[in-house]
Amino acid sequence: AQSVTQLGSHVSVSEGALVLLRCNYSSSVPPYLFWYVQYPNQGLQLLLKYTTGATLVKGINGFEAEFKKSETSFHLTKPSAHMSDAAEYFCAVSENDMRFGAGTRLTVKP
Amino acid sequence: GAVVSQHPSWVICKSGTSVKIECRSLDFQATTMFWYRQFPKQSLMLMATSNEGSKATYEQGVEKDKFLINHASLTLSTLTVTSAHPEDSSFYICSAVNRGAGDAAYNEQFFGPGTRLTVL
Repeated sequence: AQSVTQLGSHVSVSEGALVLLRCNYSSSVPPYLFWYVQYPNQGLQLLLKYTTGATLVKGINGFEAEFKKSETSFHLTKPSAHMSDAAEYFCAVSENDMRFGAGTRLTVKP
Repeated sequence: GAVVSQHPSWVICKSGTSVKIECRSLDFQATTMFWYRQFPKQSLMLMATSNEGSKATYEQGVEKDKFLINHASLTLSTLTVTSAHPEDSSFYICSAVNRGAGDAAYNEQFFGPGTRLTVL
């Protein structure tokens, strides 16, 4: 069965700094991978997804992620953090259903 | 994009009562809907998978008699928390996917905004 591990339950960066949120996955088949963002008391919004093809995936709000099969990783990055990026981020892997990582809370300091 | 709504967005009820939460796909037909539960500061835990016109498939440890799921149409699934207790207080999120469009895993799940249930 598929699973996801997010390293770091809390990441804090300064405004304008690089954002790096780590995600490693386990899947018995070629994975479909997702990153979602959740703001307080709201549902999930898709940032980006990897299905097939190009391993560097660009998403909304300036985020991107790179699928590295050899490392079983799908880390999320953004070159320059904004205050509005403060939220909870979830990595997910999908086979017949979707499994989520524990989440990483991103804090952005002014 | 595809929109999924949930109603109510929040509900407070007394212990022992039942609460129904609706999940609707507004602009597409959802052959499959998923129900998740999220505790504070934790991740989403899949409770059950609901396919239109058939019985829901529950994850291990989820009481099917406690959490009744009905997916009577291609745009509506309901979750009823029966005889609710304070430990059922949580954030419940549904998602919907149109599996008719292809591979189930490929299809993006569209998430509702969630329903916060508080049981007194």
